[in-house]
Amino acid sequence: DAGVTQSPTHLIKTRGQQVTLRCSPISGHKSVSWYQQVLGQGPQFIFQYYEKEERGRGNFPDRFSARQFPNYSSELNVNALLLGDSALYLCASSLEGGNQPQHFGDGTRLSIL
Amino acid sequence: GENVEQHPSTLSVQEGDSAVIKCTYSDSASNYFPWYKQELGKRPQLIIDIRSNVGEKKDQRIAVTLNKTAKHFSLHITETQPEDSAVYFCAASGASNTGKLIFGQGTTLQVKP
Repeated sequence: DAGVTQSPTHLIKTRGQQVTLRCSPISGHKSVSWYQQVLGQGPQFIFQYYEKEERGRGNFPDRFSARQFPNYSSELNVNALLLGDSALYLCASSLEGGNQPQHFGDGTRLSIL
Repeated sequence: GENVEQHPSTLSVQEGDSAVIKCTYSDSASNYFPWYKQELGKRPQLIIDIRSNVGEKKDQRIAVTLNKTAKHFSLHITETQPEDSAVYFCAASGASNTGKLIFGQGTTLQVKP
């Protein structure tokens, strides 16, 4: 079975632009969580979606938004990109929402110039 | 606020020795504690987890212990091998079962052959 898949793997944007990152969960998993990982630090929670509803939100500005589709895949959108948004964006899937084991994808490396 | 402190930041052991990584969490409502292994350039991989109703859990060479009163939990790796070399992250669940994981800062483990 395929694990969590994310696209694209790498992305370069300039300040002020907008970006959309995509995630497909493990087959049968209904929940997707998004994390931002800055080099040398642990991942920071952005969102969790379960059954297409936002279940949790971390301490990120409104420039960050997400949604989950009927097939449980998810998109993370970031508007008005800042240099500080440069990071690895990780998606994790779990069977259900809440405090369940989360399995990560390989991430999207976003660089802002 | 919610916080997880992880120590040490780096750990070097000889092959065959044991390694111990310790974490302390701040929110007494946390009830789920996973550990992740992240090799350079790869996804965080869930290696073991524990819930607050259990004091200890083992899986082959890996064990995790939890002390709810002191709000700390530890990862123990016995008979270390060079392939155990990686960055290890502890995490604690946030309040309200939102799926939020709060990660520690990571421990770089080097196992010398």
